Amino acid sequence: DAGVTQSPTHLIKTRGQHVTLRCSPISGHKSVSWYQQVLGQGPQFIFQYYEKEERGRGNFPDRFSARQFPNYSSELNVNALLLGDSALYLCASSLAGRAGDRRTEAFFGQGTRLTVV
Amino acid sequence: RKEVEQDPGPFNVPEGATVAFNCTYSNSASQSFFWYRQDCRKEPKLLMSVYSSGNEDGRFTAQLNRASQYISLLIRDSKLSDSATYLCVVSTFAGGTSYGKLTFGQGTILTVHP
Repeated sequence: DAGVTQSPTHLIKTRGQHVTLRCSPISGHKSVSWYQQVLGQGPQFIFQYYEKEERGRGNFPDRFSARQFPNYSSELNVNALLLGDSALYLCASSLAGRAGDRRTEAFFGQGTRLTVV
Repeated sequence: RKEVEQDPGPFNVPEGATVAFNCTYSNSASQSFFWYRQDCRKEPKLLMSVYSSGNEDGRFTAQLNRASQYISLLIRDSKLSDSATYLCVVSTFAGGTSYGKLTFGQGTILTVHP
């Protein structure tokens, strides 16, 4: 079975530009989450979608937006890029479940490494 | 205070050593706990889920103390291939159901040398 796939794997953009990152979850997973990881830190939660609805949002500016499609794939959009947006952007998919349920285990794609110059 | 805090590390140990990582979390609503490993410039990969007071998988043992809001990971008989960053992760639930929001610690770097 295919794991979580993200595209593109690497991207270089100029300050002020817009970027769209894409994610396809594991087949059967309806939950997709996005994370930003800067060098030397753990991933930071950006968005969570389940059944095409936003279920959670981290402490990121409105320049960041996302959506989930009927096939459960997802896009993360970032407008007006800043140098500080340079990071590894990770997508994770999971089933949804209750506390202690293995369906809450999340699996990550290989990430998109975004460099803003 | 950070929601999830880990030993800052780094840890440098010889092959065969036993190493322990500690982690504390501040949100008492956290109800699922995980350890991920991350190799350099790669994505995090699930190492272990911790759903009860603790569990073991081969050389790896994870423990959870809900009263102290403390999680640990013990690696026995370290291998060179264990060299990686280890991330302590908690999942917080809203209304009893998790839709997958994870909160990560900053990670602890482990280097196992010959």
